[in-house]
Amino acid sequence: AIQMTQSPSSLSASVGDRVTITCRASQDIRNDLGWYQQKPGKAPKLLIYDASNLQSGVPSRFSGTGSGTDFTLIISSLQPEDFATYYCLQEYNYPRTFGQGTKVEIK
Amino acid sequence: EVQLVESGGGLVQPGGSLRLSCAASGFTFSSYEMNWVRQAPGKGLEWVSYISNTGSTIYYADSVKGRFTISRDNAKNSLYLQMNSLRAEDTAVYHCAREGGSDRFDYWGQGTLVTVSS
Repeated sequence: AIQMTQSPSSLSASVGDRVTITCRASQDIRNDLGWYQQKPGKAPKLLIYDASNLQSGVPSRFSGTGSGTDFTLIISSLQPEDFATYYCLQEYNYPRTFGQGTKVEIK
Repeated sequence: EVQLVESGGGLVQPGGSLRLSCAASGFTFSSYEMNWVRQAPGKGLEWVSYISNTGSTIYYADSVKGRFTISRDNAKNSLYLQMNSLRAEDTAVYHCAREGGSDRFDYWGQGTLVTVSS
């Protein structure tokens, strides 16, 4: 199974900060990667698909880059509603595998 | 509006069985692949199982292979997960998720809690 290594596991940031979360795959997954946001007690929400495509309705402050094995989720200006846990998911093959998650907390 | 609503969770003893359901509405269910994803308390997301739109292709995580069975009834717009030989480590919230274009999990249900404990 493809392993997804996500970092950091948590971070503290202030409103307005630029936040970067990375995900590394254990093998080449082309651009078959999604980013998901999850708030406590809620279902995950798709933010980015195919590594860099913004899901409909998602604010443009979210963006994704990368291909092959290294991927990045960027929040250009952190907003209060962005405090949540973020996961990457490889969509290259089965079994699907998630990163361990990054909890974004208020500084 | 796309909706996915899970049901069937509850408390079950180790070794027991449970059948989860996911009722879909707001889209043509028979056209979409579906997945189950779970989250143990305080832990991250774990993919569990996949089924193609016709049910002809199925995959499982190694952790549930041989114990869980995914199925669907396109006439009833429903997805199922039959869980047998349950273990404490199967305790989690189970979400169904639609697989849209580009293999993205574009819609998720709120989840149903399964607790395996004596």
